[in-house]
Amino acid sequence: ETGVTQTPRHLVMGMTNKKSLKCEQHLGHNAMYWYKQSAKKPLELMFVYSLEERVENNSVPSRFSPECPNSSHLFLHLHTLQPEDSALYLCASSIGLAGRETQYFGPGTRLLVL
Amino acid sequence: AQSVTQLDSQVPVFEEAPVELRCNYSSSVSVYLFWYVQYPNQGLQLLLKYLSGSTLVKGINGFEAEFNKSQTSFHLRKPSVHISDTAEYFCAVHLVQGAQKLVFGQGTRLTINP
Repeated sequence: ETGVTQTPRHLVMGMTNKKSLKCEQHLGHNAMYWYKQSAKKPLELMFVYSLEERVENNSVPSRFSPECPNSSHLFLHLHTLQPEDSALYLCASSIGLAGRETQYFGPGTRLLVL
Repeated sequence: AQSVTQLDSQVPVFEEAPVELRCNYSSSVSVYLFWYVQYPNQGLQLLLKYLSGSTLVKGINGFEAEFNKSQTSFHLRKPSVHISDTAEYFCAVHLVQGAQKLVFGQGTRLTINP
């Protein structure tokens, strides 16, 4: 596979469930990101990892827990979510954290919380 | 902190007509500017970016954008659109120095009618 892949592509979960979103990048990049895309709102940066260390946590509720075991993989662990957490969750990667770097996005996981 | 305003949430255009998607940003310091495109059921893909130098930037698929520092704008243009250009377009800004965060506008949905 090439680029940035995300699984699953669709997820329906109840508010008491625990699930995980997975992202994998095949580009040799050192930085990875989680974004939330809700209808009629700008993309919201959630977390940033550089060389497996979290460098940004953009005031995200603790019911979202990221994990970056190596520079190619990024997870978002979900528990006790709320209906307002329903959104498209996008993963991205870049060569480094410099602002000039292009971010490469996966296709997203569309999450519905019932 | 930087911010981005995309003035039009939806732009309908006939095929082969020209189009301009407007983007204004707010920042007290130097910025890098980006346009990303999101096709249906896909992640975001870079169209073009302004880092420095010439204010007219050419991107993929025949798109171009012009950086206007005095008007703090970075409008996207294409002289003749195609049905395949139907997508959502996002303008984004990143500080040259400071917070390592790409901030997105709310997006403009471009619909091409035959």
